[in-house]
Amino acid sequence: ETGVTQSPTHLIKTRGQQVTLRCSSQSGHNTVSWYQQALGQGPQFIFQYYREEENGRGNFPPRFSGLQFPNYSSELNVNALELDDSALYLCASSRPQGALLSTDTQYFGPGTRLTVL
Amino acid sequence: AQSVTQLDSHVSVSEGTPVLLRCNYSSSYSPSLFWYVQHPNKGLQLLLKYTSAATLVKGINGFEAEFKKSETSFHLTKPSAHMSDAAEYFCVVSEGEYGNKLVFGAGTILRVKS
Repeated sequence: ETGVTQSPTHLIKTRGQQVTLRCSSQSGHNTVSWYQQALGQGPQFIFQYYREEENGRGNFPPRFSGLQFPNYSSELNVNALELDDSALYLCASSRPQGALLSTDTQYFGPGTRLTVL
Repeated sequence: AQSVTQLDSHVSVSEGTPVLLRCNYSSSYSPSLFWYVQHPNKGLQLLLKYTSAATLVKGINGFEAEFKKSETSFHLTKPSAHMSDAAEYFCVVSEGEYGNKLVFGAGTILRVKS
């Protein structure tokens, strides 16, 4: 069973540029969530996609956007990059096991380290 | 809204001695709680989860956690620390109203001395 994969591993951009990060979910998983982990902090929820629809969003501005594709892989796009966007971006996939989505286990990829100069 | 407080930012133990990482949560309804571990330059790995079944939850690598509703706590323990346990540990609560949003604590860095 293939786990969650993310690309690229590392990325360096300059302020004002745009970036696209990619995530392939674990086999059989139809839900993808994205998190931002700044240095020395716990991950912060950005948004979640379920069957290609956004299914919840955290406190991030609209310049953070996403997509989920029919094969359940996903992209995170960030426009007009700011220095504070420098972080580790984590993708997690899950598969609803029952009525309560809160009980589902999310499996994380290794992350993409974004540096904004 | 759900929240998690990890009471120690750093914990240092000697190899072979017990580990205790403390976590308190705030939740408006019956929560799902998780502990994840993050080794340097690696992704997050699930150690264990609580979903309103048994209050004592056993996880991987000898870790376990006990859900105590009266104390709103979910502390992580291990009887005997190993050098390979050195990592950062996150206590996590799940908000399930509109999906499965994970709310992370600030993390506890565990150091294991030889």
